[in-house]
Amino acid sequence: DTAVSQTPKYLVTQMGNDKSIKCEQNLGHDTMYWYKQDSKKFLKIMFSYNNKELIINETVPNRFSPKSPDKAHLNLHINSLELGDSAVYFCASSRGGAGRGGANTGELFFGEGSRLTVL
Amino acid sequence: SQQGEEDPQALSIQEGENATMNCSYKTSINNLQWYRQNSGRGLVHLILIRSNEREKHSGRLRVTLDTSKKSSSLLITASRAADTASYFCATDRDSSYKLIFGSGTRLLVRP
Repeated sequence: DTAVSQTPKYLVTQMGNDKSIKCEQNLGHDTMYWYKQDSKKFLKIMFSYNNKELIINETVPNRFSPKSPDKAHLNLHINSLELGDSAVYFCASSRGGAGRGGANTGELFFGEGSRLTVL
Repeated sequence: SQQGEEDPQALSIQEGENATMNCSYKTSINNLQWYRQNSGRGLVHLILIRSNEREKHSGRLRVTLDTSKKSSSLLITASRAADTASYFCATDRDSSYKLIFGSGTRLLVRP
């Protein structure tokens, strides 16, 4: 009963290919995120969705297309993969936004990561 | 760009000692959070401190926040080998839907 699960855990592919990473959360959260962690451990937000609607697109190339079929799922599709896309991609969810108001704890729950290697 | 800068980048201590990590940020925030990441794993939330709070405790963790200096510190008391991990601060700088993470401190606790 993993709270935030993402698949696959490892992905090795050639430059130019298209790949997808899937994410599902069973916490009943309204907000989901994709983060990219590079080899130096820097974590950078890519997208955030609230109730299936795109809220944040952090100047990510058009080759990255998130899709949220429902508020429990946020998938990431990457076209024409480049060497620089190699990283660990983390999905996360939170109840509402990251800390504003009401009963929202602001806490993000992360998946275990999907390590993408582009050769 | 990174909102938070953490200091030190790496810290090595003996089991039983205290570990202190610092985080500085640039713009006003609503809250600041600390997360832990074990090697090869996802991030785990440790503690959240709101901008109107100055100190917060959770078990062996103590977090302080100084909004005038735009800085926070995380103290882990009586460290254990299991505390070995990377620790990140994070702030909601521009939007409550955009948590910005610092560069992290790698903590090694030697048994």
